[in-house]
Amino acid sequence: KAGVTQTPRYLIKTRGQQVTLSCSPISGHRSVSWYQQTPGQGLQFLFEYFSETQRNKGNFPGRFSGRQFSNSRSEMNVSTLELGDSALYLCASSPQLGDTQYFGPGTRLTVL
Amino acid sequence: AQSVTQLGSHVSVSEGALVLLRCNYSSSVPPYLFWYVQYPNQGLQLLLKYTTGATLVKGINGFEAEFKKSETSFHLTKPSAHMSDAAEYFCAVSDRSGNTGKLIFGQGTTLQVKP
Repeated sequence: KAGVTQTPRYLIKTRGQQVTLSCSPISGHRSVSWYQQTPGQGLQFLFEYFSETQRNKGNFPGRFSGRQFSNSRSEMNVSTLELGDSALYLCASSPQLGDTQYFGPGTRLTVL
Repeated sequence: AQSVTQLGSHVSVSEGALVLLRCNYSSSVPPYLFWYVQYPNQGLQLLLKYTTGATLVKGINGFEAEFKKSETSFHLTKPSAHMSDAAEYFCAVSDRSGNTGKLIFGQGTTLQVKP
């Protein structure tokens, strides 16, 4: 089976712009989660989706949003980018809600 | 609230030496426990997990970890380090309720392997 794929792998944006990141889960996986990884804060949970519904949300401002489609693919959006949003954004998928999560390679976002 | 503490942000061992990476968790109910590894410019790869049953868990690449409830620990070990083991290692916990797979991570331990 192919693993979790994330596009794009690298992205450079400027402050104030918005960005959309995409995640395709492992075939048959129905749950998708997103994490932000920074040197200062480490790995932090953003959101979790199952059956097109957001099931859990981390402690991030409303500028961070996401959605899941009927084919389980997911996108996350960050509006009004700030310098502090520079990070590696990781997507993980699991067969069902609560199952073991398998991670993609991440999208490296740089905000200038 | 659950939390994870990894003792030592950097661990350095010689090739062939024992690897021991420490992880302690805080949770009102024993959680599911995981170790993930991250190589440079890559995502996280699952090394092993403890959900139930035998408390000594074997994972990939010769790693194993032991769940000790009394010590709230889940330390990762490998008898003999290889150069290819150099990476960052993350301990994580998740809730047993089945309502979420949300992972709470420790701060990570960078393993250096010296020739």
